[in-house]
Amino acid sequence: KAGVTQTPRYLIKTRGQQVTLSCSPISGHRSVSWYQQTPGQGLQFLFEYFSETQRNKGNFPGRFSGRQFSNSRSEMNVSTLELGDSALYLCASSLDRTSGNTIYFGEGSWLTVV
Amino acid sequence: SQKIEQNSEALNIQEGKTATLTCNYTNYSPAYLQWYRQDPGRGPVFLLLIRENEKEKRKERLKVTFDTTLKQSLFHITASQPADSATYLCALANQGGKLIFGQGTELSVKP
Repeated sequence: KAGVTQTPRYLIKTRGQQVTLSCSPISGHRSVSWYQQTPGQGLQFLFEYFSETQRNKGNFPGRFSGRQFSNSRSEMNVSTLELGDSALYLCASSLDRTSGNTIYFGEGSWLTVV
Repeated sequence: SQKIEQNSEALNIQEGKTATLTCNYTNYSPAYLQWYRQDPGRGPVFLLLIRENEKEKRKERLKVTFDTTLKQSLFHITASQPADSATYLCALANQGGKLIFGQGTELSVKP
């Protein structure tokens, strides 16, 4: 079956702009989580959605937001982009994380802010 | 604050040897621990999960140990191959499922 699909794969934005990234989870998976990966900070948890509700949230400013649709697809949005937001944004899906199910990552969206 | 530390230095080993990667944590009581492999420019790929009440898990050439007293997990790759070269990440989670990742250890297996 198809894996986790993230779009776009690469994008370049200017400081102050906003960006929306999309994630389609594996069919049947209801939990979607987002991570930011940078060389300096590693993989950092942004938030997790389950059945359209945000279940967990990391320590990121309010400029980072997300949502999940009824078909489990998810989007994350970053407003007022800063240079430091340049990173690989990874989406992961699982049946339900609370029981330690395997999570599957997408290939990520590479965001460069100039 | 919660902290996860993996081998900070890259690990270089000869093909056929056993690679051992370390993951130490503080100020955390994880319900389970996971290991992932990440290749450059790709998303992490799940390898193994071990729960707090388990001491050891194996999968083919991979072995993970989990010592909640020492607050440490060891990840072993036996009979290593150049194709095993990648960055390996450990991640801890509580019952709520929120994962915290280590910085990763870069493994290089030379032929």
